[in-house]
Amino acid sequence: NAGVTQTPKFQVLKTGQSMTLQCAQDMNHEYMSWYRQDPGMGLRLIHYSVGAGITDQGEVPNGYNVSRSTTEDFPLRLLSAAPSQTSVYFCASVSPLGDGYTFGSGTRLTVV
Amino acid sequence: GENVEQHPSTLSVQEGDSAVIKCTYSDSASNYFPWYKQELGKRPQLIIDIRSNVGEKKDQRIAVTLNKTAKHFSLHITETQPEDSAVYFCAALGGSNYKLTFGKGTLLTVNP
Repeated sequence: NAGVTQTPKFQVLKTGQSMTLQCAQDMNHEYMSWYRQDPGMGLRLIHYSVGAGITDQGEVPNGYNVSRSTTEDFPLRLLSAAPSQTSVYFCASVSPLGDGYTFGSGTRLTVV
Repeated sequence: GENVEQHPSTLSVQEGDSAVIKCTYSDSASNYFPWYKQELGKRPQLIIDIRSNVGEKKDQRIAVTLNKTAKHFSLHITETQPEDSAVYFCAALGGSNYKLTFGKGTLLTVNP
């Protein structure tokens, strides 16, 4: 039982490049979300999904796209990376009661 | 949307002292309030949580109190130890969805 798996753990991108951060969970949770963490800012919600085929924007969605084709996977796409997207990204899945947020191990992204 | 304020942003205590971190929330419909501990380079880990129908919850040296009327909740750590040093985040879960809104964090340092 792996919980929430995020890949890669580290990534360096050049400005303008694109990439996909992968997130997979094996707990059959319907609700998944992506957060970014910046110093002094806590964790801010980027996008979330309440089930396969359903996604919505969070607090800071600009520059990011998501899709949810299966219950297990919730990838986050950066279409044209910018230095302002340098951050640590966490994926999370949530149990049906709304508690029990399980976080992935994080992706540390640097955009140069 | 929900707004969570957390204070203080940094807290330094001597080993054995108590530490208190306070949070306020804005959405009266929020009904679940978890606290996370994050060590350097690691993912946030749930340490204790409380639901809106409970006023206090304790787990060994850690306790959380909730005042629904005033919309604030607090984390209390007694007999602090150096391994308690970390960043602590409070959060609030919306009443109508699974969106978790975080405070900006408190860096707790326990000096030996």
